[in-house]
Amino acid sequence: AAGVIQSPRHLIKEKRETATLKCYPIPRHDTVYWYQQGPGQDPQFLISFYEKMQSDKGSIPDRFSAQQFSDYHSELNMSSLELGDSALYFCASSLSYNEQFFGPGTRLTVL
Amino acid sequence: AQKVTQAQTEISVVEKEDVTLDCVYETRDTTYYLFWYKQPPSGELVFLIRRNSFDEQNEISGRYSWNFQKSTSSFNFTITASQVVDSAVYFCARNSNSGYALNFGKGTSLLVTP
Repeated sequence: AAGVIQSPRHLIKEKRETATLKCYPIPRHDTVYWYQQGPGQDPQFLISFYEKMQSDKGSIPDRFSAQQFSDYHSELNMSSLELGDSALYFCASSLSYNEQFFGPGTRLTVL
Repeated sequence: AQKVTQAQTEISVVEKEDVTLDCVYETRDTTYYLFWYKQPPSGELVFLIRRNSFDEQNEISGRYSWNFQKSTSSFNFTITASQVVDSAVYFCARNSNSGYALNFGKGTSLLVTP
C-alpha cells in the first residue's frame, strides 16, 4: 500500500539559511499534519491542512510557513534557520479526521 | 493542552515476558480519541490503534492488547510474549482540544533482550 512520502530524507543547512520540506500524502487523503521531533523528545504538532485550507495551528515558529497545494501535497518552508531547528520533521496524512499515518520523516541538521 | 502522561520512561524485559505500558490522559471533553504509535530505532512512527471515547471495549490484535478505562482515564497497552523486534519507543497520544492534531506523551522506551 502507498505510504506518505517525504523529501528530502536528510538535509543539512547552515544557520540563517532556508529549507523547504515536501510531503506527499497517501492517495485520497485530504488532511496533512506537520510535526517536529527534537532528539529524545515526543513529536510536537506544528500545523495542519484540510482540503488545502489551514485547519489547526500548533507551536509553529513565525519563521516557518506551510501550505497545501491543489494536488494535496504540502510544503513546510523554514527561514532564518537556528541550531534549535535541528530535528526530525514528520508529515502525516489522514482521510478527513481519521487516524493519521506518518511519513518516514526528514532529518534536518542545522550547523 | 490536555496532557498525556506515560510515567514509565524505560522498561527492559527478557524475550517472552509480558509487558504493560501505562498511559494516563487528561480530558474535559466527552468526545475524544486515543492512540498508540510505535517508533522503532529506524525512526518512523507506526500507527497501532485509535480508540474513541465512546468505545470502551478492550481490543486485541495478535500479541497486542489495549485496556481502556474511562473511570481512571487510562489507556494501557500490553504486549504478550514480547520479542526483540518489539524494542522501540511507544507513544500514547490523544487528539488536541482544538481539533485532530495529536498531543503525544513523552514515550516509553521498551528494550526486549534475548
